[in-house]
Amino acid sequence: DAKTTQPTSMDCAEGRAANLPCNHSTISGNEYVYWYRQIHSQGPQYIIHGLKNNETNEMASLIITEDRKSSTLILPHATLRDTAVYYCIVRPRGLIMEYGNKLVFGAGTILRVKS
Amino acid sequence: DADVTQTPRNRITKTGKRIMLECSQTKGHDRMYWYRQDPGLGLRLIYYSFDVKDINKGEISDGYSVSRQAQAKFSLSLESAIPNQTALYFCATSDFQGISGYTFGSGTRLTVV
Repeated sequence: DAKTTQPTSMDCAEGRAANLPCNHSTISGNEYVYWYRQIHSQGPQYIIHGLKNNETNEMASLIITEDRKSSTLILPHATLRDTAVYYCIVRPRGLIMEYGNKLVFGAGTILRVKS
Repeated sequence: DADVTQTPRNRITKTGKRIMLECSQTKGHDRMYWYRQDPGLGLRLIYYSFDVKDINKGEISDGYSVSRQAQAKFSLSLESAIPNQTALYFCATSDFQGISGYTFGSGTRLTVV
């Protein structure tokens, strides 16, 4: 699986957009970019994923560069409840029998939303 | 009700005791997973199961065992608990390819004294 690099922590003002970057320079053509978040001691929560096109859902937007070597998760109007650790994960597309589709979590980015 | 339910939410046990953590899901997913999380570390995979007849070891399976009693139930056992198994344990489910993401339970905080 491709390795990801994220900043250790970021601050964001409440109501402003939070832009969380992720580098995945060794990503291969069949690998998706996934974002999860974990609010203190709760189970990780799936946010969004993409392959090469930008994606948007009710929670966030995902912008993937044309070369796919980096991406940005955008929370358009951050609230205090968005304070969490955000994980960027790259995993292969399709069935990976030997890994059971396992997710590999790194250290993530601590996002602090401040009022 | 939560899609993935873990019981108990918190447990304190003594060294050497056998303990079982339970997980049930209403997602209808075939695939289930057990992860542990230690302070300051990411989640590490303990065991995973593709279906009722399939069990696989993850990266840190020593000292643990699992049972997939039904499609919806996947339990994790510590046969003889030791203090370094003190951690936060998460159960997760996914569909066949996991493309649409994993669903995690709320976790079990286990303390071994």
